[in-house]
Amino acid sequence: RKEVEQDPGPFNVPEGATVAFNCTYSNSASQSFFWYRQDCRKEPKLLMSVYSSGNEDGRFTAQLNRASQYISLLIRDSKLSDSATYLCAVILSGGYQKVTFGTGTKLQVIP
Amino acid sequence: NAGVTQTPKFQVLKTGQSMTLQCAQDMNHNSMYWYRQDPGMGLRLIYYSASEGTTDKGEVPNGYNVSRLNKREFSLRLESAAPSQTSVYFCASSKNTEAFFGQGTRLTVV
Repeated sequence: RKEVEQDPGPFNVPEGATVAFNCTYSNSASQSFFWYRQDCRKEPKLLMSVYSSGNEDGRFTAQLNRASQYISLLIRDSKLSDSATYLCAVILSGGYQKVTFGTGTKLQVIP
Repeated sequence: NAGVTQTPKFQVLKTGQSMTLQCAQDMNHNSMYWYRQDPGMGLRLIYYSASEGTTDKGEVPNGYNVSRLNKREFSLRLESAAPSQTSVYFCASSKNTEAFFGQGTRLTVV
């Protein structure tokens, strides 16, 4: 089983829709969680960190469910510009704290 | 405000040629990474370095070698390039928190 797993999609949604992605992680000792955005032919860039209490940044909401070992990303009122691949990332506690990425979920927002 | 710098940005190699991809970060990060990304696929870890002088194999290390020269620099070497190594290569670094990426190197092996 992979350490971090995501549904690759693609998720095709109309403009204005709400869409949610999940990301599961296998190691219960994971301590830090992130969502990245990657545009076509570009490097991944940090979208937001995921805190235990959940956090919101405009139309984006990230949540952590430790009991079920997954994080989620909710995008409300989707824009065409949200079309991208969304990658989750996890850091295990202790040691050198290596960042492990999921393979990403592709989102296509349709006019 | 350089962050993670990769060179070159583009490269075309002939099968069997060798080359080194360079990566440097100026954020005093301990951990550095090399990934490859193929069309329609996610990031695949080639090698990871937790600190200067240490390296670990990732998911797809075959055909590659790395060198963590110092805290700033982490290079990736292809000793004998093969068409299967045509890909986009990303270097990244981190320190107990999120990772930061370079802009990538687009490598084509013909």
